[in-house]
Amino acid sequence: AIQMTQSPSSLSASVGDRVTITCRASQGITNDLNWYQQKPGKAPNLLIYSASNLQPEVPSRFSGSGSGTDFTLTISSLQPEDFATYYCLQDYRNPFTFGQGTKLEIK
Amino acid sequence: QVQLQQSGPGLVRPSQTLSLTCAVSGDSVSSNRAAWNWIRQSPSRGLEWLGRTYYRAKWSTEYAPAVKSRISISPDTSRNQFSLQLNSVTPEDTAVYYCARDTTGWPPDYWGQGTLVTVSS
Repeated sequence: AIQMTQSPSSLSASVGDRVTITCRASQGITNDLNWYQQKPGKAPNLLIYSASNLQPEVPSRFSGSGSGTDFTLTISSLQPEDFATYYCLQDYRNPFTFGQGTKLEIK
Repeated sequence: QVQLQQSGPGLVRPSQTLSLTCAVSGDSVSSNRAAWNWIRQSPSRGLEWLGRTYYRAKWSTEYAPAVKSRISISPDTSRNQFSLQLNSVTPEDTAVYYCARDTTGWPPDYWGQGTLVTVSS
């Protein structure tokens, strides 16, 4: 199975900060990398698909980049509602695999 | 608007079978573009994709190797729903289970509400 390594596992930041989360695949996955946001007690919510495409209604402060093995999720200016846990997911090859998550906390 | 509504017991005894159902509205389980997934989440294993079923001229299934010997995902077209069966469960199968839809070229976008299943005697 393709291993997804996400970093950092946790991150403290303030409203207005710019933050970056990275995800590395154990082998090349072209651009088949997706980002989810999850809040406590809720299902993951798709933010970005195919590495850099914003899901409809997702704010433009979210962006994604990367190809091959290295990917990033950037939030340009943190808002209070952005404090959550973020996951990457590769759907290049079965079994689909998730990163272990990045918990974004308020500093 | 696509909606997925999960149902099933929250407690399963060890060695028994875990069974969950996901009722779909706003789409058809027989769609030629959609696939119907089961994913679980636990503190120890994180988010784990279990498998999916889909219709492309015929029904197909794909399962994660870790559970392939114990899992079955099947559609019920008459009720527009799909089901998960996981056999011979142990406490390690305790998790929140989600159903989710993906479509060709896109990752899972619509998810069920999640069901906490505890495996305990």
